[in-house]
Amino acid sequence: EAGVTQSPTHLIKTRGQQATLRCSPISGHTSVYWYQQALGLGLQFLLWYDEGEERNRGNFPPRFSGRQFPNYSSELNVNALELEDSALYLCASSSPGQGTDTQYFGPGTRLTVL
Amino acid sequence: AQKITQTQPGMFVQEKEAVTLDCTYDTSDPSYGLFWYKQPSSGEMIFLIYQGSYDQQNATEGRYSLNFQKARKSANLVISASQLGDSAMYFCAIPHPRSSASKIIFGSGTRLSIRP
Repeated sequence: EAGVTQSPTHLIKTRGQQATLRCSPISGHTSVYWYQQALGLGLQFLLWYDEGEERNRGNFPPRFSGRQFPNYSSELNVNALELEDSALYLCASSSPGQGTDTQYFGPGTRLTVL
Repeated sequence: AQKITQTQPGMFVQEKEAVTLDCTYDTSDPSYGLFWYKQPSSGEMIFLIYQGSYDQQNATEGRYSLNFQKARKSANLVISASQLGDSAMYFCAIPHPRSSASKIIFGSGTRLSIRP
């Protein structure tokens, strides 16, 4: 069974540009989560999508947005990029029927803003 | 509010020795679970083990086991017979209540380095 996949692996942008990151969950998982991990720091929760709806978001400005498609894949968009947006962005998925809500992570997209 | 504390920023252990990574937590939930994840230098977060607060026995998964002490609010990860490939960051995590901002709160992590 394929795990969570993310693309691209690396993304280099300049300040002010927009970045789009993509995530495909494990087959059968309906929830997708996005996290930001700046260098040397822990994971900060960004967004949670379930069944196509945004269920919750962390303490990030509105220029961080996303969506979940009917096939449960998800996109994270970051507008007006700033230098401090440089980080590893991790996507995770879970299945609501599992009970434990264990989140399984993808390999991440490393975003560098120059 | 949920809180996870990992007090060991870094640890060095000799290969084949057992290692214990500390984790303490605070939660207002009467029923909760604890997760441990491993993050190698490649960046991917790998799920290792889960313990439910009402599970009667400590969870085990291969060389990983959870030393869960509910009264002390600690959920330490024990890795037996450590291997060079165990060198990584290890994060303890706890779910938020369903009505709160995020599903899982992560600790600050412990960097484990295995010496040959």
